[in-house]
Amino acid sequence: ETGVTQTPRHLVMGMTNKKSLKCEQHLGHNAMYWYKQSAKKPLELMFVYNFKEQTENNSVPSRFSPECPNSSHLFLHLHTLQPEDSALYLCASSHLGGGRGDTEAFFGQGTRLTVV
Amino acid sequence: DQQVKQNSPSLSVQEGRISILNCDYTNSMFDYFLWYKKYPAEGPTFLISISSIKDKNEDGRFTVFLNKSAKHLSLHIVPSQPGDSAVYFCAAKGNSGYALNFGKGTSLLVTP
Repeated sequence: ETGVTQTPRHLVMGMTNKKSLKCEQHLGHNAMYWYKQSAKKPLELMFVYNFKEQTENNSVPSRFSPECPNSSHLFLHLHTLQPEDSALYLCASSHLGGGRGDTEAFFGQGTRLTVV
Repeated sequence: DQQVKQNSPSLSVQEGRISILNCDYTNSMFDYFLWYKKYPAEGPTFLISISSIKDKNEDGRFTVFLNKSAKHLSLHIVPSQPGDSAVYFCAAKGNSGYALNFGKGTSLLVTP
């Protein structure tokens, strides 16, 4: 399997539940990202991992907790979410090598999350 | 504050004609620009990019133009095909940080 794979594709969870989103990339990239797309809003960067180290956290609430055990896998652990957290959560990866030609991000298909 | 703006939420074009999608940005430190295409129920896929040292980049039916003084870029699709119907996102990146800054997207509909 190639590319960026996200599971599950759809998730419905209650506000007291704990769930995790999974992302796996088979592209040999060294950076992985979580983005959030809410209705009528641009894609918002949540977290960046470069060589498994978290390098950016864009003021994301602590109810979202990322984990990057290696450069191919990325998780987003969810707990006590709120209905306004319902959105499409997209994982992406890219290669950060210092040159300009390696900056395209490749996206997974996303997880459609509904918090009830 | 949104740094990448796509002011047209939707665009309808007849098959065979030219589609022009516009994007404006506010951050003068951006030096690399990308266009992504997104079909329903799929993640965005990379389409074409341009570096700030160029003012035009062409790839088949797709051409991106960059006007740095106006902080404006546009994507031209010619000829447009029904399969081009999708949401197109403009993105920009500076030379510090890793993140792509996205616009809200423009939904393109190409009618037969």
